[in-house]
Amino acid sequence: DAGVIQSPRHEVTEMGQEVTLRCKPISGHNSLFWYRQTMMRGLELLIYFNNNVPIDDSGMPEDRFSAKMPNASFSTLKIQPSEPRDSAVYFCASSLRGVRSGNTIYFGEGSWLTVV
Amino acid sequence: ELKVEQNPLFLSMQEGKNYTIYCNYSTTSDRLYWYRQDPGKSLESLFVLLSNGAVKQEGRLMASLDTKARLSTLHITAAVHDLSATYFCAVDPADSNYQLIWGAGTKLIIKP
Repeated sequence: DAGVIQSPRHEVTEMGQEVTLRCKPISGHNSLFWYRQTMMRGLELLIYFNNNVPIDDSGMPEDRFSAKMPNASFSTLKIQPSEPRDSAVYFCASSLRGVRSGNTIYFGEGSWLTVV
Repeated sequence: ELKVEQNPLFLSMQEGKNYTIYCNYSTTSDRLYWYRQDPGKSLESLFVLLSNGAVKQEGRLMASLDTKARLSTLHITAAVHDLSATYFCAVDPADSNYQLIWGAGTKLIIKP
């Protein structure tokens, strides 16, 4: 299995620019998570999709952030306009049916975003 | 507020020594996860503990769960340099199907 695939792995962008992060979950997984990791705040859940439907986006910090999952094999996280405080590692993760029954969440390699 | 507290947050130890990382949590839960993260890398699942008294072992790592004490431990036996990483515990609150509450992580450095 290829695992969760994210792109780009690294991105440096200027403040005000649009950033789009992409994710391909593990085939057959119906749960998809976007996390953000920073030194100050640790791991934060931004949004959770189940069967391509956004279930909980309460972790999305501002209206500048949006996420979509048009089909079971693709999701995007968009930041528009980007700000320096958005600099972080953004992880996409997937699991088989949430975390009930101890389903493991599998993480992608992360997208390292720097906004200057 | 749901909290997961790990301690220590930083641990430097010599190869060959034993040590334990602690994960305390404030919510009712009988599911706890341990993950490992190498610098600049992804998070890798180590253990999933699903019930009170659960114990799992993989190589030099052993994890246990005491749901009554709301405590999990990750024990390292005869540490080797390759175990240097940051270790996270995460708790699955009883009322959620997707939300994990994460600890801050324990950065473990094992010196040769």
